[in-house]
Amino acid sequence: GAVVSQHPSRVICKSGTSVKIECRSLDFQATTMFWYRQFPKQSLMLMATSNEGSKATYEQGVEKDKFLINHASLTLSTLTVTSAHPEDSSFYICSARGTSGRARGQYFGPGTRLTVT
Amino acid sequence: QQQVKQSPQSLIVQKGGISIINCAYENTAFDYFPWYQQFPGKGPALLIAIRPDVSEKKEGRFTISFNKSAKQFSLHIMDSQPGDSATYFCAASIKNQGGKLIFGQGTELSVKP
Repeated sequence: GAVVSQHPSRVICKSGTSVKIECRSLDFQATTMFWYRQFPKQSLMLMATSNEGSKATYEQGVEKDKFLINHASLTLSTLTVTSAHPEDSSFYICSARGTSGRARGQYFGPGTRLTVT
Repeated sequence: QQQVKQSPQSLIVQKGGISIINCAYENTAFDYFPWYQQFPGKGPALLIAIRPDVSEKKEGRFTISFNKSAKQFSLHIMDSQPGDSATYFCAASIKNQGGKLIFGQGTELSVKP
């Protein structure tokens, strides 16, 4: 139990285009999902917290108009990187927080490698 | 005050040895301390977690030791195996902050055969 999926696992896009990443909790409901960014050999940097049915809360320094987050249901959150640039190339990881039963705790997806050319 | 400091940055251990990774925190409001294991190109996986009302938790070869007064906690990997080679992150969170995790800097563990 407590499985989180991400799609796509890898994406290459041209500079100026937008990319959408999906995060799904497969076997539990997650009222809260988190989006992280990770550069090589570095720790996870929290970008934003998304709660189902409400606006995401962004961490200081994260541009909310560039990184659009939608938490449409208890099992799905999406991150859209708008007008992507090479400096947005990174490993994006989501996590989902379960609050009951075997899914109590925070579980991470497998990550999405974004490369902007 | 929201930081979690992790050491060492990298660690090399012989197969069968004990791997020890340490973390320290300042914020006494933290009430949940998980450890995550991450392999290259993968998301972190929850390994083991502890709450501050216990001093030790063991699951298989993995043990968390927790020292509330010193505001420190550590991960011990007994009988380390080459398959344990990965990056390990400690983290901390506060219950009434919606589960938001503060991560340590990470430790790259290499277990030599």
